[in-house]
Amino acid sequence: DVKVTQSSRYLVKRTGEKVFLECVQDMDHENMFWYRQDPGLGLRLIYFSYDVKMKEKGDIPEGYSVSREKKERFSLILESASTNQTSMYLCASSPGTVKMNTEAFFGQGTRLTVV
Amino acid sequence: KQEVTQIPAALSVPEGENLVLNCSFTDSAIYNLQWFRQDPGKGLTSLLLIQSSQREQTSGRLNASLDKSSGRSTLYIAASQPGDSATYLCAVRFNAGGTSYGKLTFGQGTILTVHP
Repeated sequence: DVKVTQSSRYLVKRTGEKVFLECVQDMDHENMFWYRQDPGLGLRLIYFSYDVKMKEKGDIPEGYSVSREKKERFSLILESASTNQTSMYLCASSPGTVKMNTEAFFGQGTRLTVV
Repeated sequence: KQEVTQIPAALSVPEGENLVLNCSFTDSAIYNLQWFRQDPGKGLTSLLLIQSSQREQTSGRLNASLDKSSGRSTLYIAASQPGDSATYLCAVRFNAGGTSYGKLTFGQGTILTVHP
């Protein structure tokens, strides 16, 4: 059974803190993604990675960075958390470009609240 | 700009009814389209993946169709049940060339309520 696992379901952090959201997949997928989901705005892509140590900005990268040191793990970093980063964060993975016609799989989500 | 639109935004039906959810997209150059289900406060569960070369895909009571030339997909749910109540999301993998790398562009979703 395929699996994408996010390290936390719920997080509460203070403004200005550095926050790490972790995601691990066990499907040997090349691509990994971080989205955030907000009411009325839907899912928006923050960053994605198509290989180890490779990353590309999505639609809303400001205030975020990412790290991919191992193929199975993709971390989202909030350098200095702000209240407008309170959101549901969703990690996903999918096979790489040679297998474009296959599914993306999502983790269970992390509900982050910044106070 | 490549966009995905879902209508209706919300739908309430009695149990047992057959229903159709709609998804439209602005560019016919796509790799595939994926339908997801999301329960409140949870992640996304993949329901069906339909490739650009396919016209439809079926899984149990679900059937997804794709008309790439007109930029439309529908998700048909037969004999709806209260357990089908959730948000249904349509996502398109556009063929943007270069480093598109399987990025999905999502619609806003349809909130489905099936009442007993």
